[in-house]
Amino acid sequence: DAGVIQSPRHEVTEMGQEVTLRCKPISGHNSLFWYRQTMMRGLELLIYFNNNVPIDDSGMPEDRFSAKMPNASFSTLKIQPSEPRDSAVYFCASSFGGSSYEQYFGPGTRLTVT
Amino acid sequence: GQSLEQPSEVTAVEGAIVQINCTYQTSGFYGLSWYQQHDGGAPTFLSYNALDGLEETGRFSSFLSRSDSYGYLLLQELQMKDSASYFCAVRAAGNKLTFGGGTRVLVKP
Repeated sequence: DAGVIQSPRHEVTEMGQEVTLRCKPISGHNSLFWYRQTMMRGLELLIYFNNNVPIDDSGMPEDRFSAKMPNASFSTLKIQPSEPRDSAVYFCASSFGGSSYEQYFGPGTRLTVT
Repeated sequence: GQSLEQPSEVTAVEGAIVQINCTYQTSGFYGLSWYQQHDGGAPTFLSYNALDGLEETGRFSSFLSRSDSYGYLLLQELQMKDSASYFCAVRAAGNKLTFGGGTRVLVKP
């Protein structure tokens, strides 16, 4: 299997622009997680889906952030409008069934907002 | 909510043994996972403890004491490639992981 796929790998945008991050989980995995990693705040869970349904979005910082999972093989994380403090590495991870303890992470998207 | 504490950095020489401790406070607890992350890379799963005791996987072992809300990751026969950050993560109610701040391990020749 190709593993979790994320795109783009790097994104540089100006403040106020819309940013869309994409993720393709491992085939057969039914849980999908979006994380943000910064030096200051570490690795934070933003939202996770189970069987394409959002289960917990308590980590989403504010209304500027939204996530969707229209089908089992695709998810997006959107930031609109983006701000410099959103600069971070965003990871998508997937797992199978109830084994959320073993998550497979994608390579991440490094977002820089200027 | 959940909170986890682990040391920020550990330095050791090749061939040595390093123990990374993790203490946690959580409402509801299913188990403790460990992940490794090299600079510029993604976290990768190392081990999981749901029950008390030691789990061994090659040079790495992980231990859990539920009564003490404590676990550790033991790295043996350290190699240069083990230089990375190591995260403990609590699996609690809601089938999600909460990660600690990470321990940066520096292996010197």
